[in-house]
Amino acid sequence: GIQVEQSPPDLILQEGANSTLRCNFSDSVNNLQWFHQNPWGQLINLFYIPSGTKQNGRLSATTVATERYSLLYISSSQTTDSGVYFCAVERVGNTPLVFGKGTRLSVIA
Amino acid sequence: DSGVTQTPKHLITATGQRVTLRCSPRSGDLSVYWYQQSLDQGLQFLIQYYNGEERAKGNILERFSAQQFPDLHSELNLSSLELGDSALYFCASSGGRPQETQYFGPGTRLLVL
Repeated sequence: GIQVEQSPPDLILQEGANSTLRCNFSDSVNNLQWFHQNPWGQLINLFYIPSGTKQNGRLSATTVATERYSLLYISSSQTTDSGVYFCAVERVGNTPLVFGKGTRLSVIA
Repeated sequence: DSGVTQTPKHLITATGQRVTLRCSPRSGDLSVYWYQQSLDQGLQFLIQYYNGEERAKGNILERFSAQQFPDLHSELNLSSLELGDSALYFCASSGGRPQETQYFGPGTRLLVL
């Protein structure tokens, strides 16, 4: 099956710093989503981004489908950004999402 | 709020017991997915239903079963529970067509003692 690798596995930032999270995938995909899992366990949709670039406030994401990777940028990080960030992909053929292992982000005041 | 609801939020039970988790999809969504998040396996797909019919099956144990009802809500039944079934169970919904966003519910946290 398709492999989804996220890096780094852990990241500690000072409040106000910027960061880049990476997601590599091993096959062509129909769908790529970024999620934030908050400390209460809730999975929050950040982006649906099978290709191209999107921005939402301090967050932006870029997917280069031909090179099979996606990047999530967090600027001016805040303590509320803490949690685990997951990348998930849907292989071509309408298959369910396959998740990476996530990047655990801790933002310190 | 994603629009996907799950009940109960928390469930504590004993080994060998049976539980039912419930999910209501977003209004208009025909497809429901169940995922399990455990410490050792991460987030894994269990099963998908589309408009009442099973569409795809993932790493779902034989002790687990699911169904989607005519009103499109879904139930995941877990039986003969083991300690290792303790996990966060998520339901997600979408329109069911390729290249659509899946929206996740808040999850049901199951603890088997």
